[in-house]
Amino acid sequence: GIQVEQSPPDLILQEGANSTLRCNFSDSVNNLQWFHQNPWGQLINLFYIPSGTKQNGRLSATTVATERYSLLYISSSQTTDSGVYFCAADRASGAGSYQLTFGKGTKLSVIP
Amino acid sequence: DAGITQSPRHKVTETGTPVTLRCHQTENHRYMYWYRQDPGHGLRLIHYSYGVKDTDKGEVSDGYSVSRSKTEDFLLTLESATSSQTSVYFCAITGNEGAEQYFGPGTRLTVT
Repeated sequence: GIQVEQSPPDLILQEGANSTLRCNFSDSVNNLQWFHQNPWGQLINLFYIPSGTKQNGRLSATTVATERYSLLYISSSQTTDSGVYFCAADRASGAGSYQLTFGKGTKLSVIP
Repeated sequence: DAGITQSPRHKVTETGTPVTLRCHQTENHRYMYWYRQDPGHGLRLIHYSYGVKDTDKGEVSDGYSVSRSKTEDFLLTLESATSSQTSVYFCAITGNEGAEQYFGPGTRLTVT
């Protein structure tokens, strides 16, 4: 199956700083999503981005499918951004199973 | 927020007992998934469903079975719970092919 690797595994930021999280995947994908798991355990979908760039407020994401990576940018970080960020991908097999394989996540701590 | 509920939210059970977790959605979405989340492993797919009575295995399906008799309900059963099945279980849904995946609040299961 597809391999999904995220870096860095841990990140500590001062409030107001910017950050970039990276997701590498081992195969062509037709589905790439970013999720945020807050400290209470809830998983929130941030972006569905198999290719191209999207922005939502202070967050933006870019996927370069030909080079098999995706980046999540967080600008002007806030303490509420703390939690774990997951990247998940589905291989472009044409089989239509729509199964996501998750990376192990980047744990972000934003300190005041 | 996607209309996904899970029950129970917390459960403690003894080794060898059967356990059923329920996922209920109000979105009429076709695809439903069960994941488990464990430290160091991220989220791993157990089983998924692509329609009523249509299910398939995921990465870690041993010891689990599922059923989907109605669009809105997806049940996960541990026939004989073991301590290795202590975990947080998440249900997820996705509607159209390749679209965003949304998660329920999770069920924390402890097998003693």
